[in-house]
Amino acid sequence: NAGVTQTPKFQVLKTGQSMTLQCAQDMNHEYMSWYRQDPGMGLRLIHYSVGAGITDQGEVPNGYNVSRSTTEDFPLRLLSAAPSQTSVYFCASSMGERETQYFGPGTRLLVL
Amino acid sequence: AQSVTQLDSHVSVSEGTPVLLRCNYSSSYSPSLFWYVQHPNKGLQLLLKYTSAATLVKGINGFEAEFKKSETSFHLTKPSAHMSDAAEYFCVVSEGFTGGGNKLTFGTGTQLKVEL
Repeated sequence: NAGVTQTPKFQVLKTGQSMTLQCAQDMNHEYMSWYRQDPGMGLRLIHYSVGAGITDQGEVPNGYNVSRSTTEDFPLRLLSAAPSQTSVYFCASSMGERETQYFGPGTRLLVL
Repeated sequence: AQSVTQLDSHVSVSEGTPVLLRCNYSSSYSPSLFWYVQHPNKGLQLLLKYTSAATLVKGINGFEAEFKKSETSFHLTKPSAHMSDAAEYFCVVSEGFTGGGNKLTFGTGTQLKVEL
């Protein structure tokens, strides 16, 4: 059972480039979310999804887009990368409200 | 709105001594509360969670936490620290919100150092 997987593990971008961070889960979880982790700030919610075809903004959505065409996948798109988006990105999934969220191993992104 | 305050950014203990990591929360509703641990360059692992059942929650690796509504606290403890406990610990509060979903609010983390 793979759980939550994220690719790539590490990425370097130049300012203005676009890219997609991949997230997949094989637990048939309805809820999926993206967080970014910055030193001294814990994790902050970027976007979340309560099911296929439904997404909404979290705390820090600017500069990011998401879509949820299937239950399994929840990609995060950076349209035009900025140095402020240098961070570690975590994808998480859960069965439902108040349930334990399972986190992927993270993607380290460096924007030059 | 919910919030979480981890009262110590760094805690240092000797191996074999007790661990106390402090967390206070605020929430408009009956929250679910979690402690996650993150080892260096690793993802987050659930230690334990409180979801309105028993107020004393036991987790993995000998950790436990007590939910005290009157004090709005959810402190994490362990009777005897081990070197492998050195990591960053996050207190997390979860509320359901309009439209469904599961919004987690993270504390800023407590770095636990365990010395010989």
